[in-house]
Amino acid sequence: ETGVTQTPRHLVMGMTNKKSLKCEQHLGHNAMYWYKQSAKKPLELMFVYNFKEQTENNSVPSRFSPECPNSSHLFLHLHTLQPEDSALYLCASSPALAGEGKTQYFGPGTRLLVL
Amino acid sequence: QKEVEQNSGPLSVPEGAIASLNCTYSDRGSQSFFWYRQYSGKSPELIMFIYSNGDKEDGRFTAQLNKASQYVSLLIRDSQPSDSATYLCAATPGGSYIPTFGRGTSLIVHP
Repeated sequence: ETGVTQTPRHLVMGMTNKKSLKCEQHLGHNAMYWYKQSAKKPLELMFVYNFKEQTENNSVPSRFSPECPNSSHLFLHLHTLQPEDSALYLCASSPALAGEGKTQYFGPGTRLLVL
Repeated sequence: QKEVEQNSGPLSVPEGAIASLNCTYSDRGSQSFFWYRQYSGKSPELIMFIYSNGDKEDGRFTAQLNKASQYVSLLIRDSQPSDSATYLCAATPGGSYIPTFGRGTSLIVHP
């Protein structure tokens, strides 16, 4: 257990559905991240939040919408997804965005399948 | 384009041997380097981080950083079958706080 939890762990959805992924960290960290991991590809950064403020949007399609109500919680709202969006979605947190605080700790991930 | 390159493998070593995993990075200004282990179907787990040139040891793991040659390596001594996993290398480019990940190297330790 890294102190970062994600729900649900598995999700199957149709292209017209709306669903949300949830991430919670119990580490007192100030920065939170969403990553996408597809087979045979490097981890792809999607969004970064620092002290609840979005600091990075890595050219992610608008069908993915992040929300960070506080430093401990992060959501990823999904709507009208495509089959190619099927992947493992990982949440991570770090103490800070600079210096040694950049070390990231990952949650267990949500395995998403879009039909 | 700031890149982190790893040989995808698989790297196969016998139990008890030293496994050597290598990673190169393109941004000379990179400051922070990380090694993660990822078991199949699981999330990445931090093993080591290193900031300074030279070696950093933690148990059976040693991270080596050579900024002049722009490579970082991970040595696993006395490899065990439980070390079989994909190892991800990450580097934080200069002026950025976001690490860039490599594709990972698959390690197989056979009995």
